[in-house]
Amino acid sequence: GQQLNQSPQSMFIQEGEDVSMNCTSSSIFNTWLWYKQDPGEGPVLLIALYKAGELTSNGRLTAQFGITRKDSFLNISASIPSDVGIYFCAGQLLQGGSEKLVFGKGTKLTVNP
Amino acid sequence: DVKVTQSSRYLVKRTGEKVFLECVQDMDHENMFWYRQDPGLGLRLIYFSYDVKMKEKGDIPEGYSVSREKKERFSLILESASTNQTSMYLCASSLPGQPIDYEQYFGPGTRLTVT
Repeated sequence: GQQLNQSPQSMFIQEGEDVSMNCTSSSIFNTWLWYKQDPGEGPVLLIALYKAGELTSNGRLTAQFGITRKDSFLNISASIPSDVGIYFCAGQLLQGGSEKLVFGKGTKLTVNP
Repeated sequence: DVKVTQSSRYLVKRTGEKVFLECVQDMDHENMFWYRQDPGLGLRLIYFSYDVKMKEKGDIPEGYSVSREKKERFSLILESASTNQTSMYLCASSLPGQPIDYEQYFGPGTRLTVT
């Protein structure tokens, strides 16, 4: 099936640092979503992107839909301890024709106070 | 506010038991999904449903079945639980119609252990 390559797999940062993670694919997507999952909880939708080149912010989070439609990135500025968790990207294929999303395997973020 | 609930947060079952995982959403969403999540494998789609009494296989349907008798409820059934079905199970729902049909909203998950 289709795959999303999400990197890095894990990050260890100090509180206050900025964070950047991305997802890439050889396929074209027409929607990109970014989720955060706290330990023992379900993923929560952070940002949704629908147009190539779109840049969207949600507080300290900023995400962009790549111009080629094959990638997306998520930035977190001035990280705080509650940013800890696993961040997932998800994409809907341009030719998918169904309601299924393709998920990345996640970036595990650890923030040291 | 978006709300997806799952019947249990933690469940322990024995090999061979029939297991029911229930999911309810109160957002009048048409689409509902069941995933399992395992370390290193990410989220994998088991089954999904576009409407009442409608179901479609996802990527890993073997060993599972589903039931959607009412719009708000989507059940995942393990006919005969096996140890390799120990996992975190996540339910999600979404509205149909571009573009927000791909914004899936997840429940808190059920961590199932089969011994």
